[in-house]
Amino acid sequence: NAGVTQTPKFQVLKTGQSMTLQCAQDMNHNSMYWYRQDPGMGLRLIYYSASEGTTDKGEVPNGYNVSRLNKREFSLRLESAAPSQTSVYFCASSEAPTSGGAADTQYFGPGTRLTVL
Amino acid sequence: RKEVEQDPGPFNVPEGATVAFNCTYSNSASQSFFWYRQDCRKEPKLLMSVYSSGNEDGRFTAQLNRASQYISLLIRDSKLSDSATYLCVVPSGAGSYQLTFGKGTKLSVIP
Repeated sequence: NAGVTQTPKFQVLKTGQSMTLQCAQDMNHNSMYWYRQDPGMGLRLIYYSASEGTTDKGEVPNGYNVSRLNKREFSLRLESAAPSQTSVYFCASSEAPTSGGAADTQYFGPGTRLTVL
Repeated sequence: RKEVEQDPGPFNVPEGATVAFNCTYSNSASQSFFWYRQDCRKEPKLLMSVYSSGNEDGRFTAQLNRASQYISLLIRDSKLSDSATYLCVVPSGAGSYQLTFGKGTKLSVIP
């Protein structure tokens, strides 16, 4: 099993350009997530998809859109990139929370390093 | 109180030492907790889950104090390979889909 895969690994954009980050998981997980990680800020949730067909905003959704294409794939789109979006982007997946409400482990992809000039 | 707060670090310890990290959290409804490790320029990976009072896995022990809302991670007999950043992770938000990550504590184990 490949686990969680992300493409591309690296990307440089100019301000105003658009791009889509791709993420796929082969663990049959219901839930998928997009995070960004900046120095001194820790991981911050951008959007998540609790199950196929649903998406919800996280802590920092502005400037991003997402699509849960099917159970395996969850993409993140930057419509008009800004320098403030320079970051490392991680996709993750997990099972749904337990019936008792306990969160399940999230498994991360290798990340995409994005620079916006 | 911030949602998840960790020791600022960095911790520089000799091989074989015992080191402990603390983490405090504000969401008293949280039922499960996690410690992840993150190597430089890599993705976070699960180290331990904590669902009750604590968990032990070899040299690693995690303890949970719900009354005081803190979690600790103890590493015994430190190895060079333990050098990494350790992230305290607490569920937040409706239905526990969302996890809040601490900023991490950097550990360097020195020969």
